[in-house]
Amino acid sequence: AQSVAQPEDQVNVAEGNPLTVKCTYSVSGNPYLFWYVQYPNRGLQFLLKYITGDNLVKGSYGFEAEFNKSQTSFHLKKPSALVSDSALYFCAVRDRGSTLGRLYFGRGTQLTVWP
Amino acid sequence: GAVVSQHPSWVICKSGTSVKIECRSLDFQATTMFWYRQFPKQSLMLMATSNEGSKATYEQGVEKDKFLINHASLTLSTLTVTSAHPEDSSFYICSALGAGTGGNTIYFGEGSWLTVV
Repeated sequence: AQSVAQPEDQVNVAEGNPLTVKCTYSVSGNPYLFWYVQYPNRGLQFLLKYITGDNLVKGSYGFEAEFNKSQTSFHLKKPSALVSDSALYFCAVRDRGSTLGRLYFGRGTQLTVWP
Repeated sequence: GAVVSQHPSWVICKSGTSVKIECRSLDFQATTMFWYRQFPKQSLMLMATSNEGSKATYEQGVEKDKFLINHASLTLSTLTVTSAHPEDSSFYICSALGAGTGGNTIYFGEGSWLTVV
């Protein structure tokens, strides 16, 4: 069975500091990995994905994520946080061999960036 | 990225009535669409997966007669909440996968708030 863990419900950082939002997964085979961001009362916005190749993936708004196969992790990072980054972040995986394309989500991490 | 439009953004309906939510892929053909329900401060709960031209596949515990899903074209899927009750009040989000999304990225609509009074 596929599962995604986001061990932190809440991450608080000061503006200008680096941020990390953690994600680990348990899936069969090699999955596609995604990060989405959700602002209040809005849908999910795609941030970045890992498909293959370089383990460090760069995405929107200065975010990046590092795929670590041995640790089955895909942590989201940003070198310098902005107050506007405050939002709910979801890690998701998709079975590479699935034709249905279903995403399995973590429970979400609320990021708060303090000015 | 690809655009998924969801309408209406907000809807209030009386208990016992039905309400329809539309999900459209604006710049790509969505072979598969997904409908989620989200409770405040929680993750997304997949309700059903729909493929164009075929019946939707519902997740365990989701009443197919209450949540009617239609995917009649490659750009439109609809969710109809029939005989709505206050406990159906929630945030409903659709997403779409198809040609033009890079083959592996799923894009989401902006969501629809349903309040049943």
